[in-house]
Amino acid sequence: TQLLEQSPQFLSIQEGENLTVYCNSSSVFSSLQWYRQEPGEGPVLLVTVVTGGEVKKLKRLTFQFGDARKDSSLHITAAQPGDTGLYLCAGASLSTGANNLFFGTGTRLTVIP
Amino acid sequence: NAGVTQTPKFQVLKTGQSMTLQCAQDMNHEYMSWYRQDPGMGLRLIHYSVGAGITDQGEVPNGYNVSRSTTEDFPLRLLSAAPSQTSVYFCASRPPKGFNTEAFFGQGTRLTVV
Repeated sequence: TQLLEQSPQFLSIQEGENLTVYCNSSSVFSSLQWYRQEPGEGPVLLVTVVTGGEVKKLKRLTFQFGDARKDSSLHITAAQPGDTGLYLCAGASLSTGANNLFFGTGTRLTVIP
Repeated sequence: NAGVTQTPKFQVLKTGQSMTLQCAQDMNHEYMSWYRQDPGMGLRLIHYSVGAGITDQGEVPNGYNVSRSTTEDFPLRLLSAAPSQTSVYFCASRPPKGFNTEAFFGQGTRLTVV
């Protein structure tokens, strides 16, 4: 099992604040994805990062893949109530079958208006 | 634009009962998988399939069976339900060719075993 630990597990912030969510593992991943899940729905892909040190921006969201490809972070600038949801990181590696995604423990974000 | 369809959405079983969770996708994806989601544990891989006629075990396969007779369908069977199988179950499919592709999820089945 490729254990992916996310922190924090819960985060409650005011609208307009910035936040960072972390995803850490002792294993090396070929790629790492971030998903967001809303109540009663399945996860939906936000981004995929594949190169160590890679940084991707999606409007107010910034994703970074660690140089050693063992960790990742998601930074949200000026959070809005619409950002509320469960954020999941997921890694894939050739050692466990390239198609298999292993998910992190999740970060539940609440943005208060 | 159906994507991945799971049925039923909710189910209550008694301990020892059996049932099948259905999953169908219309995107012609070769890879399909089943996950269970429990609080504080993210999604854990139960079984997966890389194509029709091929299935394999994931992280937590005990108590579950799968089959893949067609590209479109990937049912998950609980042979004798236990309270520990109370969870939300998600089916997912991915296009072939590597580890960068997006996983598409169904809406989930919330299962309670009493």
